[in-house]
Amino acid sequence: QAVVTQEPSLTVSPGGTVTLTCGSSTGAVTSGHYPYWFQQKPGQAPRTLIYDTSNKHSWTPARFSGSLLGGKAALTLSGAQPEDEAEYYCLLSYSGARPVFGGGTKLTVL
Amino acid sequence: EVQLVQSGAEVKKPGESLRISCKGSGYSFTSYWISWVRQMPGKGLEWMGRIDPSDSYTNYSPSFQGHVTISADKSISTAYLQWSSLKASDTAMYYCARQIRGFWFDPWGQGTLVTVSS
Repeated sequence: QAVVTQEPSLTVSPGGTVTLTCGSSTGAVTSGHYPYWFQQKPGQAPRTLIYDTSNKHSWTPARFSGSLLGGKAALTLSGAQPEDEAEYYCLLSYSGARPVFGGGTKLTVL
Repeated sequence: EVQLVQSGAEVKKPGESLRISCKGSGYSFTSYWISWVRQMPGKGLEWMGRIDPSDSYTNYSPSFQGHVTISADKSISTAYLQWSSLKASDTAMYYCARQIRGFWFDPWGQGTLVTVSS
């Protein structure tokens, strides 16, 4: 089974910009992995931020964007707000419809 | 409103069996796959497997194949996750989620906490 890697933790200043990345042990992440991004706050269920690399859910704030960057999937937060402090998980889809989550990035807004 | 409502927290002993549920409402239950996701205490998310409620076709992560069973009863719009013999390592929060397209999940259930302890 593939291993999906994310930064364990990142810190961003309020109003600042940060990019979270999501890599695959099998090689470059492509649009064919349909990268997904999820946000989870303590004590809450996760919710989807981004699907299919860059598409936003209806509730996703405009300050979040998804892309492919340097062989990885990327989630960029521009203009961080205190309420963005959370754990962020990526998910990549592999052949056989067996997706794999990354280990998560704990984002601190400080 | 589209909702997935999961059954309540469970406390079990090792070796016991368990089935937890996920009831969908506000949409056509047979039109969307349901996935199950595990989150062990203080850890990340793990995709376990999924079911097509229209015909109960399933596929599992290799990590969970043979350890759990996913099923559904479309007559009552409910999906299930079950264990025949629990282990302490099954202690975790379990989420169900509706798959809109691919693995675009929405909504998620509120989670069911399973605690396995002697």
